Amino acid sequence: GESVGLHLPTLSVQEGDNSIINCAYSNSASDYFIWYKQESGKGPQFIIDIRSNMDKRQGQRVTVLLNKTVKHLSLQIAATQPGDSAVYFCAENMGKYNFNKFYFGSGTKLNVKP
Amino acid sequence: NAGVTQTPKFQVLKTGQSMTLQCAQDMNHEYMSWYRQDPGMGLRLIHYSVGAGITDQGEVPNGYNVSRSTTEDFPLRLLSAAPSQTSVYFCASSRSPVLAGVTGELFFGEGSRLTVL
Repeated sequence: GESVGLHLPTLSVQEGDNSIINCAYSNSASDYFIWYKQESGKGPQFIIDIRSNMDKRQGQRVTVLLNKTVKHLSLQIAATQPGDSAVYFCAENMGKYNFNKFYFGSGTKLNVKP
Repeated sequence: NAGVTQTPKFQVLKTGQSMTLQCAQDMNHEYMSWYRQDPGMGLRLIHYSVGAGITDQGEVPNGYNVSRSTTEDFPLRLLSAAPSQTSVYFCASSRSPVLAGVTGELFFGEGSRLTVL
């Protein structure tokens, strides 16, 4: 099957700094992507999404960047807070080709140091 | 609002036993799915349903059965549990498949931790 992977399994940042979490995807047909946050003992929660006709999308303190040329996705968190400590997953979907299936990456653990 | 409710939260089985993981959602979502989460492997899709009476296989369907008799419920059955099925299971639902202009956000339950001895 197609793979969605992450460059760094663990990321430690200082409170107040910006965080960047990366994701590489291999399926060029994927045209919809989501970032999820999962806190310990809970289910994943939606953070932000982006479609392939965009290269950037901003939310509250979060920005997702999509580079289709190199099949790379990143999540930027501004002014990282202790509450941001969690595991972050990217997920890809092939939209109109196979819109019922999401493929998830293995996750990056974000540790925020006070 | 309850959202997506999974039961049980924890279960221990012996090899060969059967059980059903329950999932219910109260958001009138058409799309429901089951994922398993193993350490270092992210979430993998087991089965999904696009509406009552319609189900299909995901990435790792072997050893699992599903049915969708109502919009609200999507149970996952293990007919003969194996140690390889030790995992955390998540049920998820969404408003619709990923379509133009519609957010395909999946709403997840809290998870069911299954151990097969």
